Amino acid sequence: DIVMTQSPEYLAVSLGERATINCKSSQTVLNSSNNKNSVAWYQQKAGQPPRLLISWASTRESGVPDRFSGSGSGTDFTLTISSLQAEDVAVYYCQQGYGAVVTFGGGTKVEIK
Amino acid sequence: EVQLVESGGGLVQPGGSLRLSCAASGFSFVNWMHWVRQAPGKGLVWVSRISGDGSTITYADSVRGRFTISRDNAKNTLYLQMNSLRAEDTAVYYCTRDRGWHIHDYWGQGTLVTVSS
Repeated sequence: DIVMTQSPEYLAVSLGERATINCKSSQTVLNSSNNKNSVAWYQQKAGQPPRLLISWASTRESGVPDRFSGSGSGTDFTLTISSLQAEDVAVYYCQQGYGAVVTFGGGTKVEIK
Repeated sequence: EVQLVESGGGLVQPGGSLRLSCAASGFSFVNWMHWVRQAPGKGLVWVSRISGDGSTITYADSVRGRFTISRDNAKNTLYLQMNSLRAEDTAVYYCTRDRGWHIHDYWGQGTLVTVSS
């Protein structure tokens, strides 16, 4: 199974500052049918189910603020929050959809410094 | 509006069984569907998936042989039959809709399963 390794586990950022979360896959997750990386990012606020933020490594979902962006290729992927807002406090997960077995990263807890 | 509503969770003794349901509405129930679980205070763990017609099924190693995923497209309902339950199966179980390529675009609110004596 593909392992998704997220870092850091915990991130404290001042309001308005940039938050960067990394995710490394144990093998390539490039979908040959569309030449896109099969990586998604989810946000989970306390007491709520996860919410899809980004698919195909960099495609933002409708309604997701543009301060959220995804990037990366090969085996290294990044979720960036360009200017952290109070409502962004949450745990963020990466996920690969390349293999038959879906795997998630371990999560990154983002808080306000 | 897409809605996924899980039910069937509860307290069960080790070795016991439980059947979870996920009632889907607001979309044509032809998508692949998944179960994902989250132990208290822990991360997300994928459990199982089923194709739109029910012909293709995959399980995580940790539940294979004990859990059975199924669906009733006439009732727009997804199921997870859980047998031989263990303490480590304690978690909130979410059903999710697969938009395609394992992109989980909708999640239910989850149902809590507690395995304890």
